[in-house]
Amino acid sequence: ETGVTQTPRHLVMGMTNKKSLKCEQHLGHNAMYWYKQSAKKPLELMFVYNFKEQTENNSVPSRFSPECPNSSHLFLHLHTLQPEDSALYLCASSQGTSRETQYFGPGTRLLVL
Amino acid sequence: GIQVEQSPPDLILQEGANSTLRCNFSDSVNNLQWFHQNPWGQLINLFYIPSGTKQNGRLSATTVATERYSLLYISSSQTTDSGVYFCAVDPSDYKLSFGAGTTVTVRA
Repeated sequence: ETGVTQTPRHLVMGMTNKKSLKCEQHLGHNAMYWYKQSAKKPLELMFVYNFKEQTENNSVPSRFSPECPNSSHLFLHLHTLQPEDSALYLCASSQGTSRETQYFGPGTRLLVL
Repeated sequence: GIQVEQSPPDLILQEGANSTLRCNFSDSVNNLQWFHQNPWGQLINLFYIPSGTKQNGRLSATTVATERYSLLYISSSQTTDSGVYFCAVDPSDYKLSFGAGTTVTVRA
């Protein structure tokens, strides 16, 4: 248990569906992150939020839309995804963004049909 | 961007054996972390170690920042040590770049 939770843990969706992934951290951290882990590829940073403000969008397609309503919650809204978007989506948090340990949630395993 | 190379890609150990995992990186870094990912996908951070040596139980890590590499030592390996070990580095505070990982299998 790392103090970072993610729901759902598994998700199957069609290409025309809209769904959202949720992340919550119970560590009092100020920074939150979304990562994508595809098979046979290293983890890729997608988005960074610091004090609810987006500070990084790592060239992510617009079919992925993040939302950070407060420092404890982070969402990833999904719409019109492609099969190649199937992956493990990991959320992480850290106290700040400078030289801090990141703590990861268990991930959401997404399958796009 | 910064390159992170981990070796070996795969490692099979007999329970009780010791091993060393290596992480080479191509630029100076402010942050280096080692993670263990279990078979269910959970990433657990093992060490925050941009330089120096740290130990935590049977695991220890050493980073030689001037030579741009880090080593993770596993001693007296157990089956619960199985999984993928990732090195992640960050040259600019928070953009962690991950290596491809070392898959460790510990056999009883």
